[in-house]
Amino acid sequence: AQKVTQAQTEISVVEKEDVTLDCVYETRDTTYYLFWYKQPPSGELVFLIRRNSFDEQNEISGRYSWNFQKSTSSFNFTITASQVVDSAVYFCALRPLIQGAQKLVFGQGTRLTINP
Amino acid sequence: SQTIHQWPATLVQPVGSPLSLECTVEGTSNPNLYWYRQAAGRGLQLLFYSVGIGQISSEVPQNLSASRPQDRQFILSSKKLLLSDSGFYLCAWSALSGGPYGYTFGSGTRLTVV
Repeated sequence: AQKVTQAQTEISVVEKEDVTLDCVYETRDTTYYLFWYKQPPSGELVFLIRRNSFDEQNEISGRYSWNFQKSTSSFNFTITASQVVDSAVYFCALRPLIQGAQKLVFGQGTRLTINP
Repeated sequence: SQTIHQWPATLVQPVGSPLSLECTVEGTSNPNLYWYRQAAGRGLQLLFYSVGIGQISSEVPQNLSASRPQDRQFILSSKKLLLSDSGFYLCAWSALSGGPYGYTFGSGTRLTVV
């Protein structure tokens, strides 16, 4: 069975602080994709990043960075110098690398609040 | 470019009334289509998915049904709504091979059953 766990239900920090959102996954598949999505108050889910299970290189995009550790089945997301606009619910998700219906398995989400 | 449209954005319906939410995709052919529900606790629950016209798979037994009358149209329905059907409903699509984004989501429908 596939499972994604985001143990942090809510995080609240002051603007400009760094914050890390944790994601731990379980799968028996040897190949898979991992994703992060952002859900702002408007509700729509916005794609942030995809990581292939073969690629353990960490990635940085502006203030965002992702740390993929296959040995610990973790795919953590760090926001550096957080801003109020980063306030949202963030979802980590897992998808096997197969044809057919691409069922994404989501974590429960982490509600991030950035206070001015 | 591909776009996904979902409507209505908000809906307030009495208990026992019918429901029809529509989702359409433009700019792609033969997409995989999905309906998710997000209850107040934030988690995303997959309700239905479809890999082709008339092909519907249900993930969770419930008061809802789905149909795919056309390649790029996905409809979520109920004959009689329950209070527990309240939530935020998201439609999504993905390419047959998966594509780079996993899913592309619609803007969602916030349903309140009263």
